Amino acid sequence: AQSVTQLGSHVSVSEGALVLLRCNYSSSVPPYLFWYVQYPNQGLQLLLKYTSAATLVKGINGFEAEFKKSETSFHLTKPSAHMSDAAEYFCAVITGTASKLTFGTGTRLQVTL
Amino acid sequence: DAGVTQSPTHLIKTRGQQVTLRCSPKSGHDTVSWYQQALGQGPQFIFQYYEEEERQRGNFPDRFSGHQFPNYSSELNVNALLLGDSALYLCASSLVVGAPPDTQYFGPGTRLTVL
Repeated sequence: AQSVTQLGSHVSVSEGALVLLRCNYSSSVPPYLFWYVQYPNQGLQLLLKYTSAATLVKGINGFEAEFKKSETSFHLTKPSAHMSDAAEYFCAVITGTASKLTFGTGTRLQVTL
Repeated sequence: DAGVTQSPTHLIKTRGQQVTLRCSPKSGHDTVSWYQQALGQGPQFIFQYYEEEERQRGNFPDRFSGHQFPNYSSELNVNALLLGDSALYLCASSLVVGAPPDTQYFGPGTRLTVL
């Protein structure tokens, strides 16, 4: 069975600081990995996805993530946080021929002045 | 180009009632998936529809049922509502399943409150 674990339900950073949101996956077959962002009272927006091409994936709004098979990780980073980045972030996985997304429990990012 | 739309945006029901939620997929998409997001949790997969048939189902009881119409829009029906059914219900659309899987685009959701 596929699963993802997001370490840290809440992360707080200062504006301009590095953002690092952690995601580890469990899968018996090569996974497809996604990061989505959810702003208050809204649906989910795709930030980036890994589909077995380049291991370093660049997404929207300056975010990127690196797929590390040896560490079963897909951590999300952004060099400099902006106030508008405050939101809930979800890591998700799809494996094999399954098409359902399996989500982590989410990490709420707070950005302070 | 309209994205995924859902209706209604909010809904209040009482225990034991039935509810129908609606979803129109992004233009050009033929696959619709439904997810339930309880407060403070990640979305949980309910089921997926393609060519008017349920292709996959998550771990939800038979009280949850769905339908897809020829125009690819979809409905989610929940019977005999329980307090625990209170959640944000998200619809996502994509192109036909394959490898690698197509991106799922999400609608704004329907907030269901069961009293």
